[in-house]
This record gives sequence, structure tokens and C-alpha cells, in this order.
Amino acid sequence: DGGITQSPKYLFRKEGQNVTLSCEQNLNHDAMYWYRQDPGQGLRLIYYSQIVNDFQKGDIAEGYSVSREKKESFPLTVTSAQKNPTAFYLCASSSQTDEAFFGQGTRLTVV
Amino acid sequence: GESVGLHLPTLSVQEGDNSIINCAYSNSASDYFIWYKQESGKGPQFIIDIRSNMDKRQGQRVTVLLNKTVKHLSLQIAATQPGDSAVYFCAENIAEDSSYKLIFGSGTRLLVRP
Repeated sequence: DGGITQSPKYLFRKEGQNVTLSCEQNLNHDAMYWYRQDPGQGLRLIYYSQIVNDFQKGDIAEGYSVSREKKESFPLTVTSAQKNPTAFYLCASSSQTDEAFFGQGTRLTVV
Repeated sequence: GESVGLHLPTLSVQEGDNSIINCAYSNSASDYFIWYKQESGKGPQFIIDIRSNMDKRQGQRVTVLLNKTVKHLSLQIAATQPGDSAVYFCAENIAEDSSYKLIFGSGTRLLVRP
């Protein structure tokens, strides 16, 4: 099946720990995106990447890091510098100027 | 699951009526716009899109209108059904330097009364 897969679905993090969220797509899309969604809010852009080995900061990049070593993969690391990491994280991919397809999200909770 | 619509503007409609959801976008240079539907605890799903060289596009039971003069988008849903209850987001594709980024509006929660 073609699609975009996020894992894990639920993730718990202790304060001060880094955690990495996985995002994989087999749609042959060049562009990939990470968004954060808080309860009752919209989607805010964290990082995006248009091609392999290149990525740009979105509106709320502080406390996050990404890599794009392969076209299919765009992992997001939530670092200890992110002071309020509890949120729903969504990954998407697109062929640059067409609609973006979303994964089912990862819910991160700090315990 | 995630309750994504707790604080969002809410539109309540009777089943069978038409719904109109509005969105203002920010960048006059945006050339591509998308409407998404998000159900509780899930990722957004594509509904319909429109490019800036058009002012109207129709799909199955949905119509998107684009007014570039006032930077306004609307989504019209005909004969609204209970399954249409969800949060709806508009998104604009913004060209920045040599790349594109997809920016979302704040969303509207649609409640369909049986």
C-alpha cells in the first residue's frame, strides 16, 4: 500500500529526555513536513524539507531537530530544549505543489 | 482520542442543510489552496483544492470558492450529513525563496444535528 506512516502512535517522555518520532512515505514525494497540534488548535509548522539533505525551519522550530538523509524518511527529534513538548505531532508529504498527505499522528506526552 | 475542536469556532447545522465554512488567508502570493477535514485523533484528510487561476471548483457535494481580492476562501458542503462532523482547515501553499511551505488556518468545527 502507498502511504505515509508515523510511529509510534503514542509516546511517553520523561522530562529532560530527547525522543525521536518516525515518519516514512513510499509515495515518492519530494516534500515532507512536520506539524504540531495542541488541543483545540490548528496545525503549526515545525520543519519542512523539499529535497534530500535539505530542510528549513518552520514557525516553531525551537527545541526540535530533523534530518533528511533519505527521500522516504523525515524523522523529528524533540529535544530537552523544548519546554512544552506534550502535543499531537503530524507528518505530511507532497509532490511540491500538490496536496499534502498526512500520517495518523503521534501523541507525545511528558511524564 | 484527541479532542481537536474544544476551542475552535463552531458551526452547527441541521442534517440536510448546506454548510459554508470560511477562511481568510495571509499571503497574496499564495497560488494553491487546500481544504482538509480532520476527525478526532486522526490526521487531516484532503477534501478539495483550488489554484489561484480559478475562482470556483466543485467536487462531490463540496464546492470551494476563492476570492483573491479579499484573500478569502470558502468551503460549501451540500446536504450536510452526520459523517461530515469534523474540524475543517484551509491551507495555503506559500512560495518562499526556492521552496514551498504549507501553512494552515485556525480551523472550524462543524457539528451536524440529526
